[in-house]
Amino acid sequence: GAVVSQHPSWVICKSGTSVKIECRSLDFQATTMFWYRQFPKQSLMLMATSNEGSKATYEQGVEKDKFLINHASLTLSTLTVTSAHPEDSSFYICSATSSGRAREQFFGPGTRLTVL
Amino acid sequence: AQKITQTQPGMFVQEKEAVTLDCTYDTSDQSYGLFWYKQPSSGEMIFLIYQGSYDEQNATEGRYSLNFQKARKSANLVISASQLGDSAMYFCAMREGLQGNTGFQKLVFGTGTRLLVSP
Repeated sequence: GAVVSQHPSWVICKSGTSVKIECRSLDFQATTMFWYRQFPKQSLMLMATSNEGSKATYEQGVEKDKFLINHASLTLSTLTVTSAHPEDSSFYICSATSSGRAREQFFGPGTRLTVL
Repeated sequence: AQKITQTQPGMFVQEKEAVTLDCTYDTSDQSYGLFWYKQPSSGEMIFLIYQGSYDEQNATEGRYSLNFQKARKSANLVISASQLGDSAMYFCAMREGLQGNTGFQKLVFGTGTRLLVSP
């Protein structure tokens, strides 16, 4: 149990376009989802926390208008990178948790974004 | 100040040997949780072990054990009988906040240690 999927697993796009990444909890209801970014050979940096049905809470330095997060249901959160630029190229990982299993975060397999 | 410090960028160990990956943390909370994750080259984060700040016993999960020294604020991961498949990045992470509440507090990750297991 506690499987989290991400789609797509990798994406290449042109500079200036927008890219949507989906994060789904497959077998549990995720009251909270987290979005992380990981640059090569670096650690995971939390971008934002989203609770179902409410606006995401962004970490300091993360542009909310550039990284749009929607958590419309208990099993789906989306991250949209708007007007992507090469510096947005990174590995994006989501994680999910539920109120009944508060100590655990279940991570998705990640999405590798390359902006040309 | 860094919340989680992993001072070993890389570690080498021979197959079947034990290895310790260091992690120190900084918090003023009395209640917190410490995690270790493994990240192979494919990128997924694999949960290994968890230690709560009030847990009196050191956590163990199979070949993984956590050497929790609260006074020194350290939470080192010990991998016994290393296997080739253990080669990966290992991240220590901390969650601050009440353990008993239903809200989830965010995780802060260390910079990671790359472990290479040789035959």
